Amino acid sequence: DAGVIQSPRHEVTEMGQEVTLRCKPISGHDYLFWYRQTMMRGLELLIYFNNNVPIDDSGMPEDRFSAKMPNASFSTLKIQPSEPRDSAVYFCASTPFGGTSTGELFFGEGSRLTVL
Amino acid sequence: GEDVEQSLFLSVREGDSSVINCTYTDSSSTYLYWYKQEPGAGLQLLTYIFSNMDMKQDQRLTVLLNKKDKHLSLRIADTQTGDSAIYFCAEKGAAGTALIFGKGTTLSVSS
Repeated sequence: DAGVIQSPRHEVTEMGQEVTLRCKPISGHDYLFWYRQTMMRGLELLIYFNNNVPIDDSGMPEDRFSAKMPNASFSTLKIQPSEPRDSAVYFCASTPFGGTSTGELFFGEGSRLTVL
Repeated sequence: GEDVEQSLFLSVREGDSSVINCTYTDSSSTYLYWYKQEPGAGLQLLTYIFSNMDMKQDQRLTVLLNKKDKHLSLRIADTQTGDSAIYFCAEKGAAGTALIFGKGTTLSVSS
């Protein structure tokens, strides 16, 4: 079975440019999460969706960040305009809904963003 | 608020046991998790423990949970060089589905 698929794996851009990160969750998973990993702050939850609806976006750093989930198989995280402090690895994860679920999150390989 | 704390680095020799410690704040957590991240890769679930358990053993891995002290530990027996990675402790937040992660412990295994 295919896991969570993220693209691009690596992105290098210049300050001020728009960045779009993409994620395809595991088929049948109702929840989708965006996390950001940095050395200083570790793994931070940015936003998560349930059935394509944003549930908690309190972790989104500022208005420059936005996330959408137009359908059950696709989500985007957009940064506009990007800044050097946005440099990080961005992870997408998904999990199925269900009372017997242990709540395990299934992670993609991550998108490493470098803003110059 | 919810918070998960763990030490940042651990260095051991091949064949020794490794113990990675974690403290968490949410006493209502139903599950606690250990994830492993190898270089350049995503996080993969290593093991988990249900909150009504004190201990869970899975081959070389032993998880100990002290709910009174909100302390979780992961012991890796006979540590191998292939165990070198970042290990994350995580709890499921009171609000529901999202996991709250610690900053990760980098385990370095020397031969």
